[in-house]
Amino acid sequence: GAVVSQHPSRVICKSGTSVKIECRSLDFQATTMFWYRQFPKQSLMLMATSNEGSKATYEQGVEKDKFLINHASLTLSTLTVTSAHPEDSSFYICSARFGGSGELFFGEGSRLTVL
Amino acid sequence: GENVGLHLPTLSVQEGDNSIINCAYSNSASDYFIWYKQESGKGPQFIIDIRSNMDKRQGQRVTVLLNKTVKHLSLQIAATQPGDSAVYFCAENIWGSSASKIIFGSGTRLSIRP
Repeated sequence: GAVVSQHPSRVICKSGTSVKIECRSLDFQATTMFWYRQFPKQSLMLMATSNEGSKATYEQGVEKDKFLINHASLTLSTLTVTSAHPEDSSFYICSARFGGSGELFFGEGSRLTVL
Repeated sequence: GENVGLHLPTLSVQEGDNSIINCAYSNSASDYFIWYKQESGKGPQFIIDIRSNMDKRQGQRVTVLLNKTVKHLSLQIAATQPGDSAVYFCAENIWGSSASKIIFGSGTRLSIRP
């Protein structure tokens, strides 16, 4: 199946700093990418939908100025957590698909710990 | 907002028995449903999907049933094995103005008794 790669898989940062997470589709062109956040023992919560070449669409309650999403190419989307705080510590997971519907392919997730 | 929920947060099954994981969804306009398996520290893994014009779909050891009348989805795992231990999520495809998004349910942890 299609492969989606996330980097880094784990990151630890100090409070107040910014962290960038990359999501790459390795063997297909991802017209749409999704970013999810998952707290321990909870489900995946959709943060935003990212379409190549256009602004991301954020879910209600997600601060777009805090979670910057860039989908500059058909194979790369980035999530930047700005001015990170301990409450931003979470498991961030990206997914990608080709076209407007159909199967999603997930990355392995990036665990962010903010000290 | 849209919500996809589960009846049971945990399920313990004897190895070799069949497992049934249930899910209720609220958006009657959803046209596509997916079951994912998530192991600790990893991203979700696709198991099986079903479109809204179907009632049943079978894969290898897994079957998904869709009851649109009561907005209920189930995942059946035959002859459950230790490797099936994981958290299982149902998810639904919800359409917006021009594109769709996948919304996850709350998850069920499946544990296997030897």
